[in-house]
Amino acid sequence: ETGVTQSPTHLIKTRGQQVTLRCSSQSGHNTVSWYQQALGQGPQFIFQYYREEENGRGNFPPRFSGLQFPNYSSELNVNALELDDSALYLCASSPGFMSGNTIYFGEGSWLTVV
Amino acid sequence: GENVEQHPSTLSVQEGDSAVIKCTYSDSASNYFPWYKQELGKGPQLIIDIRSNVGEKKDQRIAVTLNKTAKHFSLHITETQPEDSAVYFCAASHPVGNTGKLIFGQGTTLQVKP
Repeated sequence: ETGVTQSPTHLIKTRGQQVTLRCSSQSGHNTVSWYQQALGQGPQFIFQYYREEENGRGNFPPRFSGLQFPNYSSELNVNALELDDSALYLCASSPGFMSGNTIYFGEGSWLTVV
Repeated sequence: GENVEQHPSTLSVQEGDSAVIKCTYSDSASNYFPWYKQELGKGPQLIIDIRSNVGEKKDQRIAVTLNKTAKHFSLHITETQPEDSAVYFCAASHPVGNTGKLIFGQGTTLQVKP
């Protein structure tokens, strides 16, 4: 158990809809990152939040957005869903934002867009 | 940008044999190299990591070696057991950009035959 919890575990949405995924970071971790993992692929970095501010972003369009709250929990929002957004969305927490900090993943949220 | 190549894509061994998975990275500034095990339907689980100031690290049956000159690192699993069967991902991160984001390899599906 990593202490990183995500919800919901599975969900199905229709193309064009919006989705919000939630994550509670491990106790003591102030940094949360989100990754997208397509079937058969390695995770791809979406963005990172540190102390409620976005601290870096991967190659994802603006319809992917996020929030971090004072308790370091986080949300990932995706607007105008597309079929290609179907994937496992992983939340990861770490005790800091710098390279070298150990990163722990949650079990993920499986999103299917139909 | 940073790229991580992982080989082989699939690996089948007999129980008790050793398994070796190799990764190469492109950015010489990379300084952190974790390995994750992902079982079907679950999130990636950190199994071992190594930082650039260390050449080798061992934890029971698992070891990782790092060759900074050649820019490659390897995972070694000895005395494999059926429960080691999973997908293994290597990853790398570097301090540039101050995000510590992980760049993942494509994954290796390890099958341990009883």
